[in-house]
Amino acid sequence: DGGITQSPKYLFRKEGQNVTLSCEQNLNHDAMYWYRQDPGQGLRLIYYSQIVNDFQKGDIAEGYSVSREKKESFPLTVTSAQKNPTAFYLCASTHVSGSEAFFGQGTRLTVV
Amino acid sequence: DQQVKQNSPSLSVQEGRISILNCDYTNSMFDYFLWYKKYPAEGPTFLISISSIKDKNEDGRFTVFLNKSAKHLSLHIVPSQPGDSAVYFCAASVRGGSNYKLTFGKGTLLTVNP
Repeated sequence: DGGITQSPKYLFRKEGQNVTLSCEQNLNHDAMYWYRQDPGQGLRLIYYSQIVNDFQKGDIAEGYSVSREKKESFPLTVTSAQKNPTAFYLCASTHVSGSEAFFGQGTRLTVV
Repeated sequence: DQQVKQNSPSLSVQEGRISILNCDYTNSMFDYFLWYKKYPAEGPTFLISISSIKDKNEDGRFTVFLNKSAKHLSLHIVPSQPGDSAVYFCAASVRGGSNYKLTFGKGTLLTVNP
């Protein structure tokens, strides 16, 4: 079955550590996205990528980094510079021409 | 500046009645609008969409209405069922181009009471 896989589902990080969240899709979608969900804040765009080896900052990119070395993969690194990293992170993908986004099941990151 | 607004954080309706969820937008360039449903600790799932060339789109119990002059859209669920209880997100986009992305509202928590 085609879809988007995020791993892990739950992740704990110590303060000052970097951590990488995985996102893989087999939908043959060109574009991939990372969103963050906080209570009462909706979904806020962190980074997005339309093609391999290219990506753009979203609305809240500070403290995050991404790479797009393969069409299928768009990992997100939460760096120690991110002041409030505890959140629910969602990865999504679309056809580049514009359509509905398909989402993964999310990763709950908790800083301890 | 919030470009997509869902001003009602929550809505409670009785089973069998109509649920109406509202969404306003400020960016006149938006030409494609979507509704997503989300359960806790899961990713959102796509419900229904509408292009700006239409004013209504229907899919089973779900109907989306678009009023471009008012920059307003709404999702109607008829009849509402307890399984519809979830957070509903409105999203908007500008189709085509090289920087396609969805902008989401903050969501409305719908509770359908048996």
